[in-house]
Amino acid sequence: KQEVTQIPAALSVPEGENLVLNCSFTDSAIYNLQWFRQDPGKGLTSLLLIQSSQREQTSGRLNASLDKSSGRSTLYIAASQPGDSATYLCAVYGANSKLTFGKGITLSVRP
Amino acid sequence: DAGVIQSPRHEVTEMGQEVTLRCKPISGHNSLFWYRQTMMRGLELLIYFNNNVPIDDSGMPEDRFSAKMPNASFSTLKIQPSEPRDSAVYFCASSSGTSAWNEQYFGPGTRLTVT
Repeated sequence: KQEVTQIPAALSVPEGENLVLNCSFTDSAIYNLQWFRQDPGKGLTSLLLIQSSQREQTSGRLNASLDKSSGRSTLYIAASQPGDSATYLCAVYGANSKLTFGKGITLSVRP
Repeated sequence: DAGVIQSPRHEVTEMGQEVTLRCKPISGHNSLFWYRQTMMRGLELLIYFNNNVPIDDSGMPEDRFSAKMPNASFSTLKIQPSEPRDSAVYFCASSSGTSAWNEQYFGPGTRLTVT
């Protein structure tokens, strides 16, 4: 059974800091991996999707990497801003044809 | 594009009552997913449809839960009878293509409280 882990559960950083959010998964047989952002009381917004054949994707200040063999992904946020405060979820599409989510990392960026 | 639309946004009901959640996927998307989010278990897939046909309902917790997709633009998730442990946020998502691994777009969710 695929399990996705995101540690730590919460993170607080000062504005302007570059930061890395980690995601690990137990079954490397995945089709792709997706990072989402969730604001309090809101739905999920897709940030980046990395196909299994890719190693990274970039969008603005965000960069996501994927290492299938080690079962790891990272989301790099450059020059963090208070508006980046949200919960970030990692999810993998696996051989079970399901999207399995981690429980998320709640990020707080202090002005 | 209006995105995925869910209604109601909030639902409060008493134990034993029937609850119906509604979803309108993005126009042109042919896959639809229902998820449940709780603090304890995070986000879990309940069921997904492709071209209005249920493909995988193994995540539906028990017979009290049922889902339908009568046409490409509408789906319902029904709980009958509801129980306090059903309290959660229920999300609907849609995607284009025939595979569950195509990028999914989520609705704003329905927060259900069963007292």
